[in-house]
Amino acid sequence: EPEVTQTPSHQVTQMGQEVILRCVPISNHLYFYWYRQILGQKVEFLVSFYNNEISEKSEIFDDQFSVERPDGSNFTLKIRSTKLEDSAMYFCASSGTSGSHEQFFGPGTRLTVL
Amino acid sequence: AQSVTQLGSHVSVSEGALVLLRCNYSSSVPPYLFWYVQYPNQGLQLLLKYTSAATLVKGINGFEAEFKKSETSFHLTKPSAHMSDAAEYFCAVSDLVTGGGNKLTFGTGTQLKVEL
Repeated sequence: EPEVTQTPSHQVTQMGQEVILRCVPISNHLYFYWYRQILGQKVEFLVSFYNNEISEKSEIFDDQFSVERPDGSNFTLKIRSTKLEDSAMYFCASSGTSGSHEQFFGPGTRLTVL
Repeated sequence: AQSVTQLGSHVSVSEGALVLLRCNYSSSVPPYLFWYVQYPNQGLQLLLKYTSAATLVKGINGFEAEFKKSETSFHLTKPSAHMSDAAEYFCAVSDLVTGGGNKLTFGTGTQLKVEL
């Protein structure tokens, strides 16, 4: 069964450092998303991506964040200069053709900023 | 803006008992509603979804949910709890974005504990 994969599973970084979180969505999906879940809190939407551009972003997704689909398979989230409050579980998701509303989630990357 | 409220951050049931997890939504348009389950150290797995077809939706692992427009509710039920059902459950509402994709807005989650 196809699945969304994410690497790394855990990332520890120093405040101010750049991190790149990687995702491989399901191969025939067209819509890609990043969500995050701060420990003990709910899952929050960060950004959606379609047709090689951002279709929507939340207020959390400020200039320190960027997304890219550098090739036909990977979807990355970059945090330019990490802050302590960026510590969270980051989930990638993808969904299929237009009209399909089911999102398939990856296992997540736990980011710890020290 | 669409939103979801989950009543009860923790629910505890005995094995074999009825599971009822509550979800109320707020939406200005007919919503698409979802229940996701998260097992420890894992990602989110879709249990079931409502997309304006039948109001009673059956999902995986014996779970079902009923969409009640008059009550703006989408409660999740299972007739008989199993130990393996212990997990965190999230209700979510979809906000269709013009031009592509749909943002999910999640509730705060309900941790289900199943006791012997």
